[in-house]
Amino acid sequence: EDQVTQSPEALRLQEGESSSLNCSYTVSGLRGLFWYRQDPGKGPEFLFTLYSAGEEKEKERLKATLTKKESFLHITAPKPEDSATYLCAVQPNTGNQFYFGTGTSLTVIP
Amino acid sequence: NAGVTQTPKFRVLKTGQSMTLLCAQDMNHEYMYWYRQDPGMGLRLIHYSVGEGTTAKGEVPDGYNVSRLKKQNFLLGLESAAPSQTSVYFCASRGPGFDTQYFGPGTRLTVL
Repeated sequence: EDQVTQSPEALRLQEGESSSLNCSYTVSGLRGLFWYRQDPGKGPEFLFTLYSAGEEKEKERLKATLTKKESFLHITAPKPEDSATYLCAVQPNTGNQFYFGTGTSLTVIP
Repeated sequence: NAGVTQTPKFRVLKTGQSMTLLCAQDMNHEYMYWYRQDPGMGLRLIHYSVGEGTTAKGEVPDGYNVSRLKKQNFLLGLESAAPSQTSVYFCASRGPGFDTQYFGPGTRLTVL
């Protein structure tokens, strides 16, 4: 069964305190892994797509990495505006569906 | 270019009432999706479509119907609403291949 687990559920950081969010997955062949940011009351906003183990993508203070079993979203020197829920999703190579984790709620304190 | 839009933004129904949620996209995307998002459950796929005139069931299809009569529109219907369908509903679309999904702003539905 295709499954995505994100940890931790919630994370509080001081401004400038770097950390990582984890997304572990079980899928029968990975077509793609996706990271989204979701602000309260809004729809998810696309951040990254990763396709194969070893791949890395960067955007401002965020860097996503991928292994055969998990992905990490590294946040370097976060700012309060990085506060949001970060969602991970996988697309198996067997179909057109996507499976989402429950997200990590990040709060960055000034 | 509005991207993905959803109508309405909020709705309150009584148990047993019916309603239709409309999703529209102006990106000429083939694939469209309906999800529901509940606290602690994450986004769960209700139904999806791989092109005009097609629909398919997702993880949680019971109690919902969908139609894709036009490429740009994807409708989600609740024939007889139940309190368990209280949720935030998101529509998404994507192009062919490995393209990412683009999400709408959501519809918050409360069933009393």
